Parts: sequence; C-alpha cells; structure tokens
Amino acid sequence: DADVTQTPRNRITKTGKRIMLECSQTKGHDRMYWYRQDPGLGLRLIYYSFDVKDINKGEISDGYSVSRQAQAKFSLSLESAIPNQTALYFCATSDLSGDEQFFGPGTRLTVL
Amino acid sequence: GENVEQHPSTLSVQEGDSAVIKCTYSDSASNYFPWYKQELGKRPQLIIDIRSNVGEKKDQRIAVTLNKTAKHFSLHITETQPEDSAVYFCAASMYSGGGADGLTFGKGTHLIIQP
Repeated sequence: DADVTQTPRNRITKTGKRIMLECSQTKGHDRMYWYRQDPGLGLRLIYYSFDVKDINKGEISDGYSVSRQAQAKFSLSLESAIPNQTALYFCATSDLSGDEQFFGPGTRLTVL
Repeated sequence: GENVEQHPSTLSVQEGDSAVIKCTYSDSASNYFPWYKQELGKRPQLIIDIRSNVGEKKDQRIAVTLNKTAKHFSLHITETQPEDSAVYFCAASMYSGGGADGLTFGKGTHLIIQP
C-alpha cells in the first residue's frame, strides 16, 4: 500500500551502532505500530501509538525506542544494535476502529 | 499476555481442494481475530476478520469460524487456486471500545497449492 512508506528499505549496520527506521503515512490514521518479523516466528509487536501523545510497549520492546513526531510519522530506534536484531521490520497503521492494519513495505535490517 | 498458536506450519493441497488453518489463543479477553495473507516478498494484507459476537463469517471462497468457549478459530479456503499460495497469519487482539490494540500473531502457515 503506497500510503504507508518506510525508509530505508534495506540497511546493513554494525554491532553497537545507533540506527533509526522511519515510517510515514498519508492515510490520516491515528494509530501506528511497529512489528518485527523473523522466519518461523511470525510478526511480533514492538511498540504502538494511538496518537502523538500516546506510546505503548508491545511484546518485545527491550532494546528499542520510538518517537511519534507527528500524526503521520512514527520512528523506531535501536540505540545500540546487536546481531539478534537482524530482522524484517514492518510499520502499520489503522484508523480509530483498529479493524484493519495497513502495513508498509518493510525494512530489512542486518546487524553484523 | 496473549499467546496465539497456529497449525500447521506448512500445508500442501491440490488445486481445487479445500484448506483449513487452525489457531488457538490463550486470553479469554481477546475479542478480535483477523487473518492476514503475506505473499513472498510482500507486506501482510488483511483477508478476513471476525469479532467475538459472531461465530462464522464468509467472503466468497474464504471463511472464518470462531469457538470462544474452546478459544480457537479457523480459516477455511475452498476451491483453492494457485494465487492462494502464500503465508497466512492468524492474530488476536482485545478490541476495547477505542479499537483494537496491537495484534498478537501466530507463527504463520505456508500454504502451497499443487497444480
């Protein structure tokens, strides 16, 4: 869905580096989410935000932080990247009903 | 927190046959159950969902059934076609007035449609 974009699409970094993944949406949705996908493990929720002033931890928030800069922007940061954070990261959005979550194209992150 | 188990991890069926994927959840407070389809290299997309006040929902060749007492729900695909080949994820969430919270996903089922 072109209305949810993620940058970068691919990133290779080294252990200990700080990295930020960005998500933008033009759908006008209030709710935004960050998930990570690992082979055989499905998608796991990292953080979610219901509006600019609301941030909630998900299932696996340790080692991650987020910033909701505006209704349309939700960034995920890894303060000190480690190899087991190598994964495919998806941003998603939904309206206030929360019924359907619209996913971005994903960011493939490799930590060496 | 919620835990969602999904079976099987891989399912191979002949084109035209039916496919059934099953999920169980642990939190009786969960009341929203979507199914997502993810084609190779693509993003997950919602294909059908059900809320706890409904036992079954159908949309053309796909249907979802929910048994709240047993805490399990299933995806049924009839007359399977090659384009049904993908990874399917079930999920559960608590839908608490203001909308669904973040989703807890199963680990996925790789559905393979054999010609």
